[in-house]
Amino acid sequence: AQSVSQHNHHVILSEAASLELGCNYSYGGTVNLFWYVQYPGQHLQLLLKYFSGDPLVKGIKGFEAEFIKSKFSFNLRKPSVQWSDTAEYFCAVNGGSQGNLIFGKGTKLSVKP
Amino acid sequence: SAVISQKPSRDICQRGTSLTIQCQVDSQVTMMFWYRQQPGQSLTLIATANQGSEATYESGFVIDKFPISRPNLTFSTLTVSNMSPEDSSIYLCSVESSLIYNEQFFGPGTRLTVL
Repeated sequence: AQSVSQHNHHVILSEAASLELGCNYSYGGTVNLFWYVQYPGQHLQLLLKYFSGDPLVKGIKGFEAEFIKSKFSFNLRKPSVQWSDTAEYFCAVNGGSQGNLIFGKGTKLSVKP
Repeated sequence: SAVISQKPSRDICQRGTSLTIQCQVDSQVTMMFWYRQQPGQSLTLIATANQGSEATYESGFVIDKFPISRPNLTFSTLTVSNMSPEDSSIYLCSVESSLIYNEQFFGPGTRLTVL
């Protein structure tokens, strides 16, 4: 069965620090990979996605993620975080039936001003 | 992107009762999904609701407990039946993008507390 692991439950950073959130998945076939973000009191929003092509994908608000197939990883990065990046971040994978997104448990990011 | 609304946004219910959650989309979509997010847990897919056919349930979820309706391409309901405190969760509706396969948009969620 597919699964997604996010290694960090809660990350606390100061503004301007660099961010990397880990995501590993287990699935042997072709996968589509996503990062979603949920700001306090708001909907889940798509941050970025990987379907095929360049394994380094860029999303909104300066976020990027790199798909490393050999490591089954899709880590999220941002060179310099802002207080407004405080949110919960979810990694998700779809590799099987249409529409079935498998989510990680989420990483809560707190950015101190 | 699709705009999705859910009603109610939150509710507090008594054990043994049922609650129906509505999901409305501002455009016609083929695939609609219902997820559950239990406290401290990730989102888990309950079922896929396709218009004109029975919903498809994931392992661990059954129609008697979570009946779903999908009367048209912009609307769906999820009922949480015979509730217990373990059903306290956030329930989210999502739809698949009509342009990009496998990309989903999520509603604001319904926060359910069962006493």
